[in-house]
Amino acid sequence: SQKIEQNSEALNIQEGKTATLTCNYTNYSPAYLQWYRQDPGRGPVFLLLIRENEKEKRKERLKVTFDTTLKQSLFHITASQPADSATYLCALPPSGGSYIPTFGRGTSLIVHP
Amino acid sequence: DGGITQSPKYLFRKEGQNVTLSCEQNLNHDAMYWYRQDPGQGLRLIYYSQIVNDFQKGDIAEGYSVSREKKESFPLTVTSAQKNPTAFYLCASTPGHLFGGYTFGSGTRLTVV
Repeated sequence: SQKIEQNSEALNIQEGKTATLTCNYTNYSPAYLQWYRQDPGRGPVFLLLIRENEKEKRKERLKVTFDTTLKQSLFHITASQPADSATYLCALPPSGGSYIPTFGRGTSLIVHP
Repeated sequence: DGGITQSPKYLFRKEGQNVTLSCEQNLNHDAMYWYRQDPGQGLRLIYYSQIVNDFQKGDIAEGYSVSREKKESFPLTVTSAQKNPTAFYLCASTPGHLFGGYTFGSGTRLTVV
């Protein structure tokens, strides 16, 4: 079965810096990968989807890269703000006839003013 | 606006009592999911349903039951057989087609008293 690894340690950065979060996966080649944001006590919110034939995707201050050779996606937030503090999860689509997506545990980002 | 509504937001259960968590979506999504999230942990799949009147067990179905009598509704019952039900419960849905993102509800926090 596919697995996702996200850094379990919180990422602490200063306001204005670029935050970079990593998502590594194993066992198969997904057609796409998704990133979600989860605030405490709330459900995850979909942010971005990147397809296997896309190297990079941008949305405002967010940038996602997808390296299918390394089996890795990087999630960047430029000019970070305290309001960006949250947990960020990556997700893989179902595979092998399954209907079940795979979600990473998420990495907590803390942006200090 | 379309979305998923979970209710109640907070629920208290006495020992030996069954409780039902509501999940309603007006997105016309085919697939619906129930997840459990414990503090500092990832999402664990309880049950999922691809179509009306059909549902499948996830990784931690013991002590839980569901029904899918209508496309828009997927209630979760936490039975007395679930020995450690205190957790944050999330309902999600997806259109079911390739590249479809997952929409989550705002969650129900269940506490055993």
